[in-house]
Order: sequence, then C-alpha cells, then structure tokens
Amino acid sequence: DAGVTQSPTHLIKTRGQQVTLRCSPKSGHDTVSWYQQALGQGPQFIFQYYEEEERQRGNFPDRFSGHQFPNYSSELNVNALLLGDSALYLCASSFGQGSGNTIYFGEGSWLTVV
Amino acid sequence: AQSVTQLDSHVSVSEGTPVLLRCNYSSSYSPSLFWYVQHPNKGLQLLLKYTSAATLVKGINGFEAEFKKSETSFHLTKPSAHMSDAAEYFCVVSDQDGGSQGNLIFGKGTKLSVKP
Repeated sequence: DAGVTQSPTHLIKTRGQQVTLRCSPKSGHDTVSWYQQALGQGPQFIFQYYEEEERQRGNFPDRFSGHQFPNYSSELNVNALLLGDSALYLCASSFGQGSGNTIYFGEGSWLTVV
Repeated sequence: AQSVTQLDSHVSVSEGTPVLLRCNYSSSYSPSLFWYVQHPNKGLQLLLKYTSAATLVKGINGFEAEFKKSETSFHLTKPSAHMSDAAEYFCVVSDQDGGSQGNLIFGKGTKLSVKP
C-alpha cells in the first residue's frame, strides 16, 4: 500500500517564476492538506482540500493556490516566487473530516528559489 | 487560538538513558494532540495521538505521552533511548474540536541527539 507520494522531490526555481507541486494521497484517503516547512521550523498549514474544494486556508497569500482532482490527488501552485518561498513543502492526507483521523505525510518537495 | 510550545529546542541523551521531550499546549476546548518524528530527509511520521480517550497514550517504538489537563502538558517519554531515535520531534495540536478535520499546528520542534 503506497503512502503519500509527492513530486518532484527537489527543484530549483528563479524569483518571479511559477511552480507546481504534486501529491497523491494514501490509498483510500480523500482529504489532502499542504504544509510549508522552512529550514529549522515546524510545518505551517497552507490549505486543505476535500471533495475538490478548498475547505480551510492558513495565513498564506493568494500566490499560493491549489487544486484537487476527482481521484483525490492534488497540486500546489505558487506564483511570483520569492526567495522566502524556499522550503520543504509537505503534503498530508487523511480519510474524511474527523478531527481524530490519522494524518499521513509524504516526504516532501524541496523548493529552492534563487 | 490553539498553540503548542516545545520547551527545549535541543535535547541530548546517552544511549540507554530515558528520554523526556516537553510540550505545553493552549486550547480553548478539548484538544487533539499528537507527536510526530522527522528523520533527516524524511517525511513526518506519527508517533502517537491523544483524542480524549486514555490520558496515557502509547505510541510506536516504545514512546508514550501523558495528557495532563491541569498542567496543559503533553510530554513525550521513552524509558531507554536508541541511536535510531536521533531525529526532530514535533508536538502538534489540531485546531478544531468536534467532528471537523482541523489543520495541524506544529511546535517549533525538539532535536534529539543520542550519544553512544
């Protein structure tokens, strides 16, 4: 049973460019969340998708957008990249909306903005 | 608003000695609390979770944590450290009560070093 898978694992972009990160949730999971983890910090919640809609959003600008597909996979898009967007981007999945449901994380996508 | 505070940014222990990683939480209602571990260049792995059942929660790899409402604490312990326990540990609270899936609020992490 594959867990949460993310691609690409590493990428380098230039300031002002746009990036798309992809996530496939664990089999059977329908809820996907994205987190940003800056170096030396804990992850911070970006947004959550359920039934192809953004359900919750953290304190991130509109440059950060996402999408969930009918097969529950998800994309995170970041426009007009800034140096400060350099971070590990983590995708997490779970089943349903219950607060006690176990959340599984992928290994992340390392984004470096130069 | 919900938050967690990890009281130590770095803890160093010798192999075979006990581990104590401290966490205090703030929540306006009954919280769901978690401990996650992150090994270098790896994703986050759930160690254990508290969701208003037993206050002493047992997790994987011999870790356990005790929920103490009176102290608003959720400290992580292990009787005997192994070299493989060296990693970053995050105390986490869910931001919502009830049946809705909230987002996770992470502490800043505690780096555990294990000396041979």
